[in-house]
Amino acid sequence: KQEVTQIPAALSVPEGENLVLNCSFTDSAIYNLQWFRQDPGKGLTSLLLIQSSQREQTSGRLNASLDKSSGRSTLYIAASQPGDSATYLCAVAPSGGSYIPTFGRGTSLIVHP
Amino acid sequence: DGGITQSPKYLFRKEGQNVTLSCEQNLNHDAMYWYRQDPGQGLRLIYYSQIVNDFQKGDIAEGYSVSREKKESFPLTVTSAQKNPTAFYLCATRTGWEEKLFFGSGTQLSVL
Repeated sequence: KQEVTQIPAALSVPEGENLVLNCSFTDSAIYNLQWFRQDPGKGLTSLLLIQSSQREQTSGRLNASLDKSSGRSTLYIAASQPGDSATYLCAVAPSGGSYIPTFGRGTSLIVHP
Repeated sequence: DGGITQSPKYLFRKEGQNVTLSCEQNLNHDAMYWYRQDPGQGLRLIYYSQIVNDFQKGDIAEGYSVSREKKESFPLTVTSAQKNPTAFYLCATRTGWEEKLFFGSGTQLSVL
């Protein structure tokens, strides 16, 4: 059974720092991996989707990489801002069978001015 | 305005009562999902539906029921058999081409 781990569970940084959030998974037979942002009491907002054949995806200040062989994905946030404060979750979808992603518990990020 | 609409935003359940959470989408996506989120926990799958008139149990289906009579709608009923229903409930859809998930804004269910 796929297990997804996100480290660290919480992170507090000053504004302007470059950040790396980690997502590890145990089964490398994946279809794709999706990063989400969740604000308190809200739904999940999709940030980036990486297909299994891709190495990275970029959107603005965000860059997500994927290394299937090592079972890792990283979300890089450049020049962090207070508005980036949220919980970031990754979801890993299997390559076979039904599309049922496994979610990590998330990294809670606070960016202080 | 395309998207996923969950209602109500807040819901209170009395003991022994069944309650229904609504999820409506106008994205024309075939697949829909219901997740439960508890504080500090990852999302857990309750039910999913790949197509109209078909749905499958997820990891924690006991005490819940669903229907999928229309492509646009996937309501979730929390029955009285669910003894610990207090949680944040999220509905999602999935695109058919790049297999990407989209989420609604959630319903917070609490027990009176």
